[in-house]
Amino acid sequence: EVQLVESGGGLVQPGGSLRLSCAASAFSLNNYWMHWVRQAPGKGLVWVSCMNGDGSIKHYADSVKGRFTVSRDNAKNTMYLQMNNLRAEDTAIYYCIRGAGYILDVWGQGTTVTVSS
Amino acid sequence: DIVMTQSPDSLAVSLGERATINCKSSQSLLSTSNNQNYLAWHQQKPGQPPKLLISWASTRESGVPDRFSGSGSGTDFTLIISSLQAEDVAVYYCQQHFSEPITFGQGTRLEIK
Repeated sequence: EVQLVESGGGLVQPGGSLRLSCAASAFSLNNYWMHWVRQAPGKGLVWVSCMNGDGSIKHYADSVKGRFTVSRDNAKNTMYLQMNNLRAEDTAIYYCIRGAGYILDVWGQGTTVTVSS
Repeated sequence: DIVMTQSPDSLAVSLGERATINCKSSQSLLSTSNNQNYLAWHQQKPGQPPKLLISWASTRESGVPDRFSGSGSGTDFTLIISSLQAEDVAVYYCQQHFSEPITFGQGTRLEIK
């Protein structure tokens, strides 16, 4: 069964850093675009970042550009989101999603990030 | 960026009745190269991650009941649930997969009347 499992969320102070992980099973990250989407408490869905199959193309939302970096480890079939200089407005559930291009076809369960002092 | 606007924000429909959700994009999602509309619909049930229902404006994902249908072209799209079931209570989001940044509508909350 195709599955995505996120981890690495938690409570962090403003200005701090976190690295989220997304472990994929039953398919290879090499063959798909992969995306991060976040959802603030009680709010809608907001796309954050994506990366193509070979990692040569990466895109970021303006709100996280320069602070977040997406990467992958093919040997571990895992994608990462390094989040630096975190702000209160980054508080959200972060979902890892497999993409058929920009069609978001398999969603993980999400990991919660809380930025607060 | 392409702005996606859904209507209504919330909707209450009786069991067995039809539910209609609209989505409008700020620019056309119809590609002239392949004549496809780059519009998807996602369903998010309470406490769960979203789930893809429909892509290319009208193509249902495998396993999605046929009471769900999508239509529209260009800038105006519709999701119809032909006969509402209790398990359809959810927030529904449209999403353009035409270009980055990917953008979503604000969501439509569907409840039972």
